[in-house]
Amino acid sequence: AQSVAQPEDQVNVAEGNPLTVKCTYSVSGNPYLFWYVQYPNRGLQFLLKYITGDNLVKGSYGFEAEFNKSQTSFHLKKPSALVSDSALYFCAVRAWAGGFKTIFGAGTRLFVKA
Amino acid sequence: DGGITQSPKYLFRKEGQNVTLSCEQNLNHDAMYWYRQDPGQGLRLIYYSQIVNDFQKGDIAEGYSVSREKKESFPLTVTSAQKNPTAFYLCASSPDTGVYEQYFGPGTRLTVT
Repeated sequence: AQSVAQPEDQVNVAEGNPLTVKCTYSVSGNPYLFWYVQYPNRGLQFLLKYITGDNLVKGSYGFEAEFNKSQTSFHLKKPSALVSDSALYFCAVRAWAGGFKTIFGAGTRLFVKA
Repeated sequence: DGGITQSPKYLFRKEGQNVTLSCEQNLNHDAMYWYRQDPGQGLRLIYYSQIVNDFQKGDIAEGYSVSREKKESFPLTVTSAQKNPTAFYLCASSPDTGVYEQYFGPGTRLTVT
């Protein structure tokens, strides 16, 4: 079965420090991986995706993610966190299961303290 | 949230009433989706549509119905058969059902008492 795990419900980081939000996945074919961010009472906004090619993917607002096939991970990173980065982050995998299906992780809440 | 509108933002209904949530997109996307979001559970797919006049059940379709009469519109009806309808509902679209990111609307928070 295809699945996505975000092992941390919450991540706390001080402003200016690097941040990492973890994601691991399990799919039977090629994984297509996405990160989205959600601010309170809003819809999700797309940050970045991995389809193929370079394992390091750069996205919006200074975020990047590294695809690691051997560890089946796609962790979201940012070199220097901002208070405004505080939000709920979702990892998602899109894979073929008789049609493309997107599975979302449960989300990780990021708190950036000034 | 650009390109996708959902209305209303907040909706209150009495138990036993059907309610319809609106979703409109001007992105010229073929595919549209409805998700339900509950705290700590991520997003769960209710229905999706790949093209006008066609739609498929997602993982939690029971108690919900949809229509896709126009490319721009994908309304969701929450029926009285849905046992626990109070939730945040998100509509999304993508160019097709391939490996594209999805564009989300701002959501509708439905409260049923």
